[in-house]
Amino acid sequence: AQSVTQLGSHVSVSEGALVLLRCNYSSSVPPYLFWYVQYPNQGLQLLLKYTSAATLVKGINGFEAEFKKSETSFHLTKPSAHMSDAAEYFCAVSAAGNTPLVFGKGTRLSVIA
Amino acid sequence: GAVVSQHPSWVICKSGTSVKIECRSLDFQATTMFWYRQFPKQSLMLMATSNEGSKATYEQGVEKDKFLINHASLTLSTLTVTSAHPEDSSFYICSATGLTGTHEQYFGPGTRLTVT
Repeated sequence: AQSVTQLGSHVSVSEGALVLLRCNYSSSVPPYLFWYVQYPNQGLQLLLKYTSAATLVKGINGFEAEFKKSETSFHLTKPSAHMSDAAEYFCAVSAAGNTPLVFGKGTRLSVIA
Repeated sequence: GAVVSQHPSWVICKSGTSVKIECRSLDFQATTMFWYRQFPKQSLMLMATSNEGSKATYEQGVEKDKFLINHASLTLSTLTVTSAHPEDSSFYICSATGLTGTHEQYFGPGTRLTVT
C-alpha cells in the first residue's frame, strides 16, 4: 500500500522568499513520486517527477525536489516565490507508470506581496 | 507532450438525469485511464481504473451502477453519472497513461458537474 502525507495544509510566504512544501511518502515498493500544481477550477499540471533516476529533480517554473529514501521524503522547494506561484500543490505516489496515483491532501500556497 | 481533453468542461443537470463526461487522449494511445473525483478544497480520490476493452475496476465505496465507465477505444473513455443527485456535484478529472515511456499520467482539465 502507498500513502502520502503533506505537512501543512496552508503555507504562506513573502514574495521572493524560499518556498518549502513538505511531502512524506510510504510505499512497499520503489516509488514514483510527483508534484502537481492546481489553479482554481483547473486540472493538474505536473511540476516534476522522480522515477528512480537522479535524486534531485528539477521541474518547471524553478521548482525542484529531492528524493530522500532514508527520510521517505520528497519536499518541494523554490528559491524565490512569485505571486503567480499561489496555488494548490499536491504530492502523489505510484508504484509504476500505469498504476493509480495516491495523492496527498494538498498544500495551499499563498504568496504575500 | 501528451494531451488529454475532457468534455464538457462544465455541466449543470437536473436531479434524476444522467450526464456523460468524455476523456480523450489526443496524441497517444491510452491503454489505461483513471477517473478521479475532487470535492471543493480537497484532494483527488480515485474512483476507478479502466483498461481499453476491459471492464473498469472500481474503488471501494464507488457505486459502479451509478458511475458507468466505458473505455471502448485507445483514445476515449467515458464516465456516465446516472440518476444524478446534488451530492454527485463535484469536479471530475481523468488521467491517461500509455506507451509514452515517461512513467507519467497525463491529466485532463477536469469537468465541473453541478446537479440542481
